[in-house]
Amino acid sequence: AQKITQTQPGMFVQEKEAVTLDCTYDTSDPSYGLFWYKQPSSGEMIFLIYQGSYDQQNATEGRYSLNFQKARKSANLVISASQLGDSAMYFCAMRPNSGGYQKVTFGTGTKLQVIP
Amino acid sequence: DTAVSQTPKYLVTQMGNDKSIKCEQNLGHDTMYWYKQDSKKFLKIMFSYNNKELIINETVPNRFSPKSPDKAHLNLHINSLELGDSAVYFCASSLALGQGIGSTEAFFGQGTRLTVV
Repeated sequence: AQKITQTQPGMFVQEKEAVTLDCTYDTSDPSYGLFWYKQPSSGEMIFLIYQGSYDQQNATEGRYSLNFQKARKSANLVISASQLGDSAMYFCAMRPNSGGYQKVTFGTGTKLQVIP
Repeated sequence: DTAVSQTPKYLVTQMGNDKSIKCEQNLGHDTMYWYKQDSKKFLKIMFSYNNKELIINETVPNRFSPKSPDKAHLNLHINSLELGDSAVYFCASSLALGQGIGSTEAFFGQGTRLTVV
């Protein structure tokens, strides 16, 4: 079984500052993928960043970076230089790679609000 | 062109009715999903299909029946709708594991907000 935990239901950040959204996971699979998605108030789900469990380097995509600590089973999302448009729900997700299993499990989400 | 499109975007219906939500993807993905997002924003997988074959059914009531006529389409039919079925339903698709290289993130449709009254 796999589990994703996001312990911050809501966070505030000042515009232009960096913010870290926490995500921990639990899985018995040796190989897996970790994802972050953004859901603005309009409702769509937007893929942000991916980290493979065997990737040597932390993933980065523009202002998004993933602080992957495998031993701690954490995959925190760091957003640098926050913008007002970053206000949204953020979901951490995981998918095991074993056996072609396609189940992606999502955390409960963190609502980020960027303050001008 | 929209990568994953689902229709309708809004659906209001009475209890006991039968309704369908359609989903199509033009990404060439082998895998498609249906997710349910409840009022607390929790996303839970309902079904996953790989190349038209059902591979995940997450203890969803059998009033929900997915249909995949081809690998680009995954429709969701719901019989005898109940108040508790009110939610946002997302269709998504992804590369299958081993299909192509790189990450296999899921691409989501815009969601269908179902309201049962």
